[in-house]
Amino acid sequence: ETGVTQSPTHLIKTRGQQVTLRCSSQSGHNTVSWYQQALGQGPQFIFQYYREEENGRGNFPPRFSGLQFPNYSSELNVNALELDDSALYLCASSPDKNTEAFFGQGTRLTVV
Amino acid sequence: TQLLEQSPQFLSIQEGENLTVYCNSSSVFSSLQWYRQEPGEGPVLLVTVVTGGEVKKLKRLTFQFGDARKDSSLHITAAQPGDTGLYLCAGEAIFGNEKLTFGTGTRLTIIP
Repeated sequence: ETGVTQSPTHLIKTRGQQVTLRCSSQSGHNTVSWYQQALGQGPQFIFQYYREEENGRGNFPPRFSGLQFPNYSSELNVNALELDDSALYLCASSPDKNTEAFFGQGTRLTVV
Repeated sequence: TQLLEQSPQFLSIQEGENLTVYCNSSSVFSSLQWYRQEPGEGPVLLVTVVTGGEVKKLKRLTFQFGDARKDSSLHITAAQPGDTGLYLCAGEAIFGNEKLTFGTGTRLTIIP
C-alpha cells in the first residue's frame, strides 16, 4: 500500500478518442511523474510535475498532456488515441523532485 | 536518452538456488534504484544505491553499484517462490529532462 491511487483501473477506448487518467498522490507529495509501460517492457517516462508546473518531459508527442492540482491529484490526458497507446499507465508521487517515488497500481488502457 | 539493458530477460530456477540479475548502461547515473513489480500492480522500490562501488543488503538480496556508476547487479541467495516477479532497475539521470530511466526488466520465476 503506497498511498497512491489511480483511476480507472481498466479502460477500453476507440482509436481517435481522447482519454483522461487520474492519480491521487500521498498528501504532502509535491512531485508526480507519469510513465507508460508496454507489455513486457520497463516503464517509459512521460513527464513530471512539480508544484503544478511541468518539470521535465520524455520522448512523447504533444498529444500527451498533464495537469497537477493543489490537492495532490493529477491527470494524464491523451488525445487522438492510437493503437500503440495501449499500455499500463503508472503515476508515481514523491515528497520532492529527487526523492523516493511511490507508484500507484496503474491504469490498463486498451485502444481498439 | 540513456538506455539500461537488463540480463537475463527471463529466468526460471528452482527454489533454493542462487541467481544474479545484471543492469548495464553506457551512461553514468547519479543513483540507481531496483524495483519489483507483480502482475496488476505498480513497481515497489527495493533499494537505492548512490555511491560507486556501494553494496547494500536486504535480507537475501544483495545490490551492487558499479565503480563507474554505469552498471548494477542484484544477487538473490536461496531464492524462494515469493521472490517471483518482474525486477526493474532504474537510473536517475545526471543531465537532461528524463527523470528515471527504467531498464528492460527481468522476469523471475522461482519454481517450488
